[in-house]
Amino acid sequence: AQRVTQPEKLLSVFKGAPVELKCNYSYSGSPELFWYVQYSRQRLQLLLRHISRESIKGFTADLNKGETSFHLKKPFAQEEDSAMYYCALSNRDDKIIFGKGTRLHILP
Amino acid sequence: EADIYQTPRYLVIGTGKKITLECSQTMGHDKMYWYQQDPGMELHLIHYSYGVNSTEKGDLSSESTVSRIRTEHFPLTLESARPSHTSQYLCASSEWGVETEAFFGQGTRLTVV
Repeated sequence: AQRVTQPEKLLSVFKGAPVELKCNYSYSGSPELFWYVQYSRQRLQLLLRHISRESIKGFTADLNKGETSFHLKKPFAQEEDSAMYYCALSNRDDKIIFGKGTRLHILP
Repeated sequence: EADIYQTPRYLVIGTGKKITLECSQTMGHDKMYWYQQDPGMELHLIHYSYGVNSTEKGDLSSESTVSRIRTEHFPLTLESARPSHTSQYLCASSEWGVETEAFFGQGTRLTVV
């Protein structure tokens, strides 16, 4: 079964501290993985995708096939990072499956 | 400007009424999706489409139906609304390819009283 697991519903981090949002997946094939973000009163939008291997707004994510993980990291949290973050998987049927989401709250 | 539009943004309606949530995109995308976002913010795929005359049910069973008569239009219909249908509904579209980005509309917040 295809599944995306985000174990933390809420993560509170102090400004300037490192951030790690966890994501594990279950998929028999070779997955395409993404992180989407939803800021307050804004649309859900793509943050980054693993195939691009890029850093967006200071965030990076590395696909670890051995651990079936795609954790999102940022070395120094900023207040504007407060948002809802979703890990997502795109399968060979072109369906996009989302995790339950993690609310990141940056404390001043 | 290329975008994806959902109307209405908010809808409060009585039990038993038929409703249609509209979704249109001017991005030229073949793939379109409907997600239901519950109060805990979890996203559930309820319908998707690969193109005109293609519709598939998603992972979450839904009493709603969809149609795809035109590439740009993917409406969702509830024949008889119930309070259990109260939720946020998100429409999205994307190009072909598993690595492509999905673009989301603003959502429709439906309340059935």
